[in-house]
Amino acid sequence: EDKVVQSPLSLVVHEGDTVTLNCSYEVTNFRSLLWYKQEKKAPTFLFMLTSSGIEKKSGRLSSILDKKELSSILNITATQTGDSAIYLCAGVRTNAGKSTFGDGTTLTVKP
Amino acid sequence: GAGVSQSPSNKVTEKGKDVELRCDPISGHTALYWYRQSLGQGLEFLIYFQGNSAPDKSGLPSDRFSAERTGGSVSTLTIQRTQQEDSAVYLCASSDYRGREQYFGPGTRLTVT
Repeated sequence: EDKVVQSPLSLVVHEGDTVTLNCSYEVTNFRSLLWYKQEKKAPTFLFMLTSSGIEKKSGRLSSILDKKELSSILNITATQTGDSAIYLCAGVRTNAGKSTFGDGTTLTVKP
Repeated sequence: GAGVSQSPSNKVTEKGKDVELRCDPISGHTALYWYRQSLGQGLEFLIYFQGNSAPDKSGLPSDRFSAERTGGSVSTLTIQRTQQEDSAVYLCASSDYRGREQYFGPGTRLTVT
């Protein structure tokens, strides 16, 4: 059975700090890893990673995949209170629709 | 439409009743997914559609759960004889192809009393 584990489960930082969120996966016939931000109900898409070692960047957020270590990290620099959310990662199989999500990391950014 | 829509946004039902949850995916998206999220938990995969067919139903928790998709668009998730443990937020997502980024709807919060 596929498995995705995120760490830490929760994190409290102050504005301006840099954070690193971790995601490890065990996914049969792995195709891609997805990162989402969930503030209220609907997760919003952040990144899709398919190739190892290639950093994807969007503003203060960046992410990279390590297929050798079966893991990914999400970095957020110069955090703001608006970054407070649950960050979810998911592993997706090739030739299958099933995505396995981790339990998420709850990030709280204090002013 | 501009995004994935779901209805109703909230549903309170009595134990033992049947409920239907609806999802309208982004126009043109061929893949559609249903997930369940209990309080404080991650997303639990339920079922995936490619077009109108469901090649992966492995996540449906029991035979009380079923889903269909018609016209390659709207999908309905039906829960029969609801139980209290069915209480959760049910999220629908769509993508333009399987394995690509999924865009989520706002969810339906189901409460079984």
